[in-house]
Amino acid sequence: DAGITQSPRHKVTETGTPVTLRCHQTENHRYMYWYRQDPGHGLRLIHYSYGVKDTDKGEVSDGYSVSRSKTEDFLLTLESATSSQTSVYFCAIHEQGAEAFFGQGTRLTVV
Amino acid sequence: EDQVTQSPEALRLQEGESSSLNCSYTVSGLRGLFWYRQDPGKGPEFLFTLYSAGEEKEKERLKATLTKKESFLHITAPKPEYSATYLCAVQGSGDYKLSFGAGTTVTVRA
Repeated sequence: DAGITQSPRHKVTETGTPVTLRCHQTENHRYMYWYRQDPGHGLRLIHYSYGVKDTDKGEVSDGYSVSRSKTEDFLLTLESATSSQTSVYFCAIHEQGAEAFFGQGTRLTVV
Repeated sequence: EDQVTQSPEALRLQEGESSSLNCSYTVSGLRGLFWYRQDPGKGPEFLFTLYSAGEEKEKERLKATLTKKESFLHITAPKPEYSATYLCAVQGSGDYKLSFGAGTTVTVRA
């Protein structure tokens, strides 16, 4: 167990509402990542962080923001949820060139 | 931009029937190629890392190999518990992220 906890595990929300997903790690890793997984697309990077208050965009960052005020917590916010953001979201930690460890995922449904 | 293509999309095997999964990639300077196993409703679970062409790694009935353009995951005499989606990912040199393929879903029937 890599010590990564995502919350909530499941969420249903309405279009237009803000949603925040949380990733908590106990490994003291510098790098943390948010991916989304959709059928036929594999895992795609939304945002990542390379330290406290240091974040950058991934390939599918539109409509998402992140924050990292502590090493152990990385938050993903959907500013105004849309149906296209219905997906499974995974948090991951990994150092460069090393294997990634993933959380159990958050299944988000936007209705 | 890094690209990863996995084939086939789905593979149905009889118990004991060996087969191979393919991962073709393009990357600017390979830092590492990774194989993961993912069960339904769970996060990907790490299997192997390969760093250079010619490298091979083995774990139980799984063996991963690497060339300059592709990687293979060989499954030898699989059992039903090897049913899962297998994901391939690459990380390029100077890159912070992993680029994933869409995965191969393997079903092993008893």
